Amino acid sequence: DGGITQSPKYLFRKEGQNVTLSCEQNLNHDAMYWYRQDPGQGLRLIYYSQIVNDFQKGDIAEGYSVSREKKESFPLTVTSAQKNPTAFYLCASSPQRPAYGYTFGSGTRLTVV
Amino acid sequence: KNEVEQSPQNLTAQEGEFITINCSYSVGISALHWLQQHPGGGIVSLFMLSSGKKKHGRLIATINIQEKHSSLHITASHPRDSAVYICAVYSGGGADGLTFGKGTHLIIQP
Repeated sequence: DGGITQSPKYLFRKEGQNVTLSCEQNLNHDAMYWYRQDPGQGLRLIYYSQIVNDFQKGDIAEGYSVSREKKESFPLTVTSAQKNPTAFYLCASSPQRPAYGYTFGSGTRLTVV
Repeated sequence: KNEVEQSPQNLTAQEGEFITINCSYSVGISALHWLQQHPGGGIVSLFMLSSGKKKHGRLIATINIQEKHSSLHITASHPRDSAVYICAVYSGGGADGLTFGKGTHLIIQP
């Protein structure tokens, strides 16, 4: 079945370390997105990519980096520059026209200690 | 930027009750999504609608474009419906074009 796979589900890191979250899709979607979810807040866009080798900053990109070397993959790196990295991270994808058919992954809960 | 308000924020009901969750937005949109987030965190897309009404099983979603309002109804609610329900609107602008509500936390007690 087509879908989005995020791994790992839970991740613990020490403060000051970079960490990379994986997101893979087999839906043949052109666009992929990373969102951050904090308690009591709506999802906020970190980065998005509409095409391979191209990506754009979202509303809260500071302290994060991404790459899009393959259509299927859109990994997110949480760097040591991110001041409050503990959060739930969701990856999503959509066909080239984003109003129709978003698919979300199951998320990664990152805890920085 | 679109403002999306959901109500209620929290809702606890008994099994079998008819449930209504509301979503209002401030700027005209081209599509509205209802999403379901289970306790494990994964999000499932329930509906995408731009006008009228859609039904899937016990779930019904309606939208009134003129009033900038949408409702999600659950008939014959069941404990497995317990989840966070999120409204997201697509205005066509910005990076992904989506603005998300904060969600409604629904608990159905047996």
